[in-house]
Amino acid sequence: QSALTQPASVSGSPGQSITIPCGGTRSDIGKFNLVSWYQKNPGKAPKLMIFEVDKWPSGVSHRFSGSKSGNTASLTISGLQPEDEGDYYCCSYAGRDTFVFGSGTTVTVL
Amino acid sequence: QLVQSGAEVKRAGDSVTVSCTGSGYTFASYYIHWVRQAPGQGLEWMAMINPSNGDARYAQKLQGRVAVARDAAPNTVHIEMTSLRSEDTAMYYCARSHPGLYYFEFWGQGTLVTVSS
Repeated sequence: QSALTQPASVSGSPGQSITIPCGGTRSDIGKFNLVSWYQKNPGKAPKLMIFEVDKWPSGVSHRFSGSKSGNTASLTISGLQPEDEGDYYCCSYAGRDTFVFGSGTTVTVL
Repeated sequence: QLVQSGAEVKRAGDSVTVSCTGSGYTFASYYIHWVRQAPGQGLEWMAMINPSNGDARYAQKLQGRVAVARDAAPNTVHIEMTSLRSEDTAMYYCARSHPGLYYFEFWGQGTLVTVSS
């Protein structure tokens, strides 16, 4: 199972919106509406930001939103803030109780 | 919360066991997954276990070299990795998911495993 494809980095100015794509296949993203997104900062455990493509866990800002089209999922961060900096990973269920993560995207607030 | 065992330093060819203990919830009611991150690399899903019956699943690339099992200690599972290589140097995390829900809602603090050649 190959890692899902994400751009290495995305940047934006405060207040702007950015979108992180996550490319998969017909066997993972394309087959299941079970994409989740995680924020990862150095020295900290990953934090769930979005689950089941577009749902928010309790306590996560709605400035973060998720979507999916075909084999590609996306995370959009609206009203970018300095505290949004970090690495973001998509993850998809891949069947038979297995999962695959994306390659990760570093978000920089200019 | 999920609390993991402490850092390990191993030599290439050794085996390592990392444990994960849950508290504050019914441990058997949630699956435990293992995810690792090598230095400068991305997250990698490794394996999962159903603590209620010990049923486990593994990432294909790690099959045969990794085993997850229930521990003798209460509310604890562990992952064992054999024939360690330098590329197994990573932070290893356990994470929790509810059966039938396919995301990791809560994570352990991580365990650093260093493999020297």
